[in-house]
Amino acid sequence: DGGITQSPKYLFRKEGQNVTLSCEQNLNHDAMYWYRQDPGQGLRLIYYSQIVNDFQKGDIAEGYSVSREKKESFPLTVTSAQKNPTAFYLCASSTTGQDNSPLHFGNGTRLTVT
Amino acid sequence: GQQVMQIPQYQHVQEGEDFTTYCNSSTTLSNIQWYKQRPGGHPVFLIQLVKSGEVKKQKRLTFQFGEAKKNSSLHITATQTTDVGTYFCAGSKGGNNRKLIWGLGTSLAVNP
Repeated sequence: DGGITQSPKYLFRKEGQNVTLSCEQNLNHDAMYWYRQDPGQGLRLIYYSQIVNDFQKGDIAEGYSVSREKKESFPLTVTSAQKNPTAFYLCASSTTGQDNSPLHFGNGTRLTVT
Repeated sequence: GQQVMQIPQYQHVQEGEDFTTYCNSSTTLSNIQWYKQRPGGHPVFLIQLVKSGEVKKQKRLTFQFGEAKKNSSLHITATQTTDVGTYFCAGSKGGNNRKLIWGLGTSLAVNP
């Protein structure tokens, strides 16, 4: 059964700690994305990757880092430099990075930093 | 900067009533995508509109793309409780999905 798996579903961290969110897909999609969702703010793009070993910053990349060493995996690290890390994080993939290729989303990780 | 405005922000209807959400862009779009997010869930792709004046139907859902490719609407006929969720539009100026501009969504509540 193909899809995108994000883990964990809920994550709690203390302020000042880095945390890595996992995203794995078995859809054989080239492009992967990380979005952040806050109440009333819609979806905002953090990072995206069109091919392995390549990724670009989105609109709100500060305080985040990613890697794309494998086609299937696109982990996101929320660093201590991110000022407001508490949010709902969504990973997505698409067949290609072109805009006629709809996004498939994972179930999301809800991160709480105190 | 380019924006996609989506209205209304919230809509509360009685089951059986119709519902419409609108998206308006400040610039011409290459295409527009619609997604639905159930409470506590993740966005799920519904449809993509590409052509000027395009109308597509999915059962009780009707999607339209304006003639000028600057606005779009989603209309649900005879809402059901299963329609509850937030509906997002995402417009593109063309080329890369990185350039998707998301509306803030319309949250639909349906009273049984």
